[in-house]
Amino acid sequence: QLQLQESGPGLVKPSETLSLTCTVSGASVNTDNYYWAWIRQPPGKGLEWIGMRYYSGSAYYSPSLKSRVTISVDTANNQFSLKLGSVTAADTAVYYCARHFGLATPSGLNWFDSWGHGTLVTVSS
Amino acid sequence: DIQMTQSPSSLSASIGDRVTITCRASQSIRNYLNWYQQKPGKAPKVLIYAASSLQSGVPPRFSGSGSGTDFTLTISSLQPEDFATYYCQQSYYTDDFTFGPGTKVDFK
Repeated sequence: QLQLQESGPGLVKPSETLSLTCTVSGASVNTDNYYWAWIRQPPGKGLEWIGMRYYSGSAYYSPSLKSRVTISVDTANNQFSLKLGSVTAADTAVYYCARHFGLATPSGLNWFDSWGHGTLVTVSS
Repeated sequence: DIQMTQSPSSLSASIGDRVTITCRASQSIRNYLNWYQQKPGKAPKVLIYAASSLQSGVPPRFSGSGSGTDFTLTISSLQPEDFATYYCQQSYYTDDFTFGPGTKVDFK
């Protein structure tokens, strides 16, 4: 059974870097056809895709966050990570890690097929 | 930029009602459209992928249709566990995997 678990600080100061890790169990991050993604949800608002990375290196990032985001995949520890720099209060949100299936398949049909429980990160001094 | 809209933004319904939620894309996304259900305090879960394919384990009262720019999610007979917020998401334009703003389904 696939499980994804987010971890990291729940409080980050403005202008600092938000760092989160997603630990994957029940599957390997270096499995073909799966990207590893981060999605966030500000309190009381909708879902915002942040970005995702394939184990072999290909990555996609949200245009609005691209300049501040790095997603990396650690195959040795079966984890993937998010770094978001220069945070402000607007980055306060529940951050979800998720597995994304399909982009690398012949059809290209793709979706987020499994999600972590989410972790609240508050940006405040 | 591709924009996703949903209507209505919220609706009130009763157990057993047929519920339809609409999602519209600002450009054609063929059938690259997914639907997610999110309950309060929980992570979203996929219900429908590729516009009309039911995710394994999802009850068959959920169905999806549409292609191009207009899509619908239908719940044929609303059950107590279906009160939640529903999001559409486009997966055609890979520079931004945009979600719709959500439709909240609550109890009438």
